[in-house]
Amino acid sequence: DVKVTQSSRYLVKRTGEKVFLECVQDMDHENMFWYRQDPGLGLRLIYFSYDVKMKEKGDIPEGYSVSREKKERFSLILESASTNQTSMYLCASSLTGQETQYFGPGTRLLVL
Amino acid sequence: AQKVTQAQTEISVVEKEDVTLDCVYETRDTTYYLFWYKQPPSGELVFLIRRNSFDEQNEISGRYSWNFQKSTSSFNFTITASQVVDSAVYFCALSEEGDSSYKLIFGSGTRLLVRP
Repeated sequence: DVKVTQSSRYLVKRTGEKVFLECVQDMDHENMFWYRQDPGLGLRLIYFSYDVKMKEKGDIPEGYSVSREKKERFSLILESASTNQTSMYLCASSLTGQETQYFGPGTRLLVL
Repeated sequence: AQKVTQAQTEISVVEKEDVTLDCVYETRDTTYYLFWYKQPPSGELVFLIRRNSFDEQNEISGRYSWNFQKSTSSFNFTITASQVVDSAVYFCALSEEGDSSYKLIFGSGTRLLVRP
């Protein structure tokens, strides 16, 4: 079974804080993704990575950065959290190409 | 432009009823992939099925079945004899072969409530 884990289920941060969201997969997948999910807007891709140290912007990268130092770990970084980054963040991984993406449990982030 | 439409925002049924969730997609690619995911209240997206554009065979898995029709650009999902545990938000998604980001384009989701 594919397992994708995220470091926190719930996070509360203050405006201006630097926030790290961690994602780990245990299936040796090439691709990893970060999405955010908002009511009325659905799921939108923030960043993805197709290899170690490789990263590509998704549809809404502004205000975010990512890091992939090891194949199994993909981190999402909010450089200076803002209230409009309050959202549900979902990490996913896939073997390669358009293979099935498997999702982690999500992190609900509240920025005050 | 690519798009996935789930016109049913919310459906409520009584346990043991059959229910069909609709999904209509738009794409210019000839090779693409369609998915269904389930999101229970816990929040995790659970993978249900993946279909490629060249395989129009219907699929059945237990109480779940999927009807893929390229002629109408639809990929509908039916739950037979629904159960309370089926209550969740269901998402249909599209991935295009020509998209180098491999991203999933999601519909807005259909919230299914199964009442005892």
